[in-house]
Amino acid sequence: DAGVTQSPTHLIKTRGQQVTLRCSPKSGHDTVSWYQQALGQGPQFIFQYYEEEERQRGNFPDRFSGHQFPNYSSELNVNALLLGDSALYLCASSSPDSHSYEQYFGPGTRLTVT
Amino acid sequence: RKEVEQDPGPFNVPEGATVAFNCTYSNSASQSFFWYRQDCRKEPKLLMSVYSSGNEDGRFTAQLNRASQYISLLIRDSKLSDSATYLCVVKGPTGNQFYFGTGTSLTVIP
Repeated sequence: DAGVTQSPTHLIKTRGQQVTLRCSPKSGHDTVSWYQQALGQGPQFIFQYYEEEERQRGNFPDRFSGHQFPNYSSELNVNALLLGDSALYLCASSSPDSHSYEQYFGPGTRLTVT
Repeated sequence: RKEVEQDPGPFNVPEGATVAFNCTYSNSASQSFFWYRQDCRKEPKLLMSVYSSGNEDGRFTAQLNRASQYISLLIRDSKLSDSATYLCVVKGPTGNQFYFGTGTSLTVIP
């Protein structure tokens, strides 16, 4: 049973560039959430996708956008990168049918903006 | 005010010790609560959900006090492998947003 996968594992970008991160949810899950985790902090909710639509969004600027595909995989796009965007980006999948609301995280993409 | 607050520690305890972590949340209408464990430079992994009646999983006990908006995690007979950061997580009362604390760092010393 494949867990949540993310790619790439590491990425180095320059200020002002754009980046796309990818996530495949755990088998049987159809909901994908994205989080940003800065060093020494807990994950911060960016947004959640379900049925190919953004269902909820955290307090992040419009530079952060996403997409969900019919196979439930998802992308996170960040435009006009800032130094402060350097962080671990985590994808989590869940099933809305689960009354427990448990989320399962992928290994993350570590983004460094220079 | 932050949605979830935790004492960041660090907690340094000897093997075999009992250690407790606490967490408070701001929205009294929140309904779902969790503890996650995160090893250094790894993803968070679900440790246990927290139920109103309290629940236990081996050496780990989680409790919820709704009146005080307080969640706790007790680890008995600490093992070296328990060394990690423990994240308190609260699901918002509406929608699907989860709020994470900053995490509490635990190091179990031989």
